[in-house]
Amino acid sequence: AQKVTQAQTEISVVEKEDVTLDCVYETRDTTYYLFWYKQPPSGELVFLIRRNSFDEQNEISGRYSWNFQKSTSSFNFTITASQVVDSAVYFCALSERGGSNYKLTFGKGTLLTVNP
Amino acid sequence: EPEVTQTPSHQVTQMGQEVILRCVPISNHLYFYWYRQILGQKVEFLVSFYNNEISEKSEIFDDQFSVERPDGSNFTLKIRSTKLEDSAMYFCASLPVLTDTQYFGPGTRLTVL
Repeated sequence: AQKVTQAQTEISVVEKEDVTLDCVYETRDTTYYLFWYKQPPSGELVFLIRRNSFDEQNEISGRYSWNFQKSTSSFNFTITASQVVDSAVYFCALSERGGSNYKLTFGKGTLLTVNP
Repeated sequence: EPEVTQTPSHQVTQMGQEVILRCVPISNHLYFYWYRQILGQKVEFLVSFYNNEISEKSEIFDDQFSVERPDGSNFTLKIRSTKLEDSAMYFCASLPVLTDTQYFGPGTRLTVL
């Protein structure tokens, strides 16, 4: 069965610090997708990134970057020069391609608080 | 940009009452999902729906839950007899056939008193 572990329950940083959110996953599938979603205090789930299991290239989008390492089953998320608006719960999620389902399995989330 | 919509945004009900949560997925999507998030906890899969039938359901999705796509646009989740522990945020999501990014609606907060 698929599983996603986000060991960091809460992280608190001061604005402009860099912060890395960890995500470790388990799956028996060779084809799968990894995601990060942001949940601000307003409650909606905001899609940030999707990565498929065959693409281990790291990705950078503005202040956000993602490090995917199949060897350690990790998909970590780094925010550079954090801002107060980055304060949210961040969820890592896994979707296996098996079957016709593509359901998402979420980690427990990491609450990031960026203090001014 | 098209988006998934959900109504109502907040529903308050008495224990034992039936509730229907409504979702309008993105129009050309083929896979539909409901997820639940109890306050402060992770988002959990409830059920997936494809080709007018349930494709998978979790152990949470017991006989008191049902889903329906009554017309070409709406996708509903019905809880027949609500319990206190059904209080949660319910998210609808839809998925286009060619990519694997699920687009989530804004959620319905269900409060059972």
